[in-house]
Amino acid sequence: EAQVTQNPRYLITVTGKKLTVTCSQNMNHEYMSWYRQDPGLGLRQIYYSMNVEVTDKGDVPEGYKVSRKEKRNFPLILESPSPNQTSLYFCASSLRRPTLNTEAFFGQGTRLTVV
Amino acid sequence: EDKVVQSPLSLVVHEGDTVTLNCSYEVTNFRSLLWYKQEKKAPTFLFMLTSSGIEKKSGRLSSILDKKELFSILNITATQTGDSAVYLCAVESGTYKYIFGTGTRLKVLA
Repeated sequence: EAQVTQNPRYLITVTGKKLTVTCSQNMNHEYMSWYRQDPGLGLRQIYYSMNVEVTDKGDVPEGYKVSRKEKRNFPLILESPSPNQTSLYFCASSLRRPTLNTEAFFGQGTRLTVV
Repeated sequence: EDKVVQSPLSLVVHEGDTVTLNCSYEVTNFRSLLWYKQEKKAPTFLFMLTSSGIEKKSGRLSSILDKKELFSILNITATQTGDSAVYLCAVESGTYKYIFGTGTRLKVLA
């Protein structure tokens, strides 16, 4: 089954304790992206990757890092989480840029709370 | 600053009604506009629009883009309770950058 898998689904952590949210897709997609969703602000793009070893900043990259060492995985790293990073995070992937009529698949989301 | 604005923020209708959701945008380098439906968690893709005036249809849903007036509409006819969701509009601005609106929350009453 084609899917984008995020782990964990829920996470409560303390300020400053490094964490990684994993994202994996089994569709051999080139393009992957991370978003955060906050009430009243909608989905905002954090980072995206066009292919292995190619990443770039989205709208709200501060406080986050990513890596794309393999095509299937695109982890989101919070080196020193802060309470303002409490949010619902989504990973998405598509075969190429979604503008080429390729559907974008979203993971089920990771609800992160930083206390 | 790139901006995508959806309206209304929320609406409640009865089954069988037709609804029109709006998405207007101001972006520096428009490439495409996408609509998603978000029920419990993950958004699911509905449409991608790149050309003005060409309607895309899928069952009771349809969408059209106006690149001159910088907006898109999503129509849902004969609504059903299963259409209840948040509908998200996103615009690709430049290469690979996506700006989302805050969404329209639709509730369809039986």
